[in-house]
Amino acid sequence: EVHLVESGGGLVQPGGSLKLSCAASGFTFSDSAFHWVRQAAGKGLEWVGRIRSKPSNYATTYAASVKGRFTISRDDSRNTAYLQMNTLKTEDTAVYYCTRVLVTPFDFWGQGTLVTVSS
Amino acid sequence: SYELTQPPSVSVSPGQTARITCSGDAMPKKYAYWYQQKSGQAPVLVIYEDRNRPSGIPERFSGSSSGTMATLTISGAQVEDEADYYCYSTDTSGGVFGGGTKLTVL
Repeated sequence: EVHLVESGGGLVQPGGSLKLSCAASGFTFSDSAFHWVRQAAGKGLEWVGRIRSKPSNYATTYAASVKGRFTISRDDSRNTAYLQMNTLKTEDTAVYYCTRVLVTPFDFWGQGTLVTVSS
Repeated sequence: SYELTQPPSVSVSPGQTARITCSGDAMPKKYAYWYQQKSGQAPVLVIYEDRNRPSGIPERFSGSSSGTMATLTISGAQVEDEADYYCYSTDTSGGVFGGGTKLTVL
């Protein structure tokens, strides 16, 4: 059974950093691309960025709103994807989901982890 | 930046057909995907590549695309279909979601 479990969320001050993890199981992790999607309270889904698999050179791309501040990485040996968030702003406050692309985009999602940026 | 436009809300009575649209300039070249999100839950894929339904999704969910518009149709909507629905597609920069449509079934 496919599982994606996010962790690492919490309260951080503006300008701070946080690293989220997405631990995967139940499928061949190395074959998948991974995306991060966030959702502020009462708002819609916002695509954050993605990392492709090794055959695609682990290529990453990001939404304009986070480019230069967020970095997505992965460790295929640990079946884990990461979202490093730097220079956090209050508008980054959201639930962050990881989701995969194996054949079909976003067929499985994690339960999300809450990031709160506040002083 | 690329945008996908959805109506904020759609309301139908149980048993009626609900149609939710998603418009974007790149739709003629890119697939649309549809996700259902119920309150407090992670999104669930209901339609992929414009018109395909994943296993486990009821047959009343269908999708279509024509020109710059993709449409999610729920034929004979049920009370349990009440949720937020999001379309998703891609452009050269990455992915983008529509703003979401709140479907009310009552």
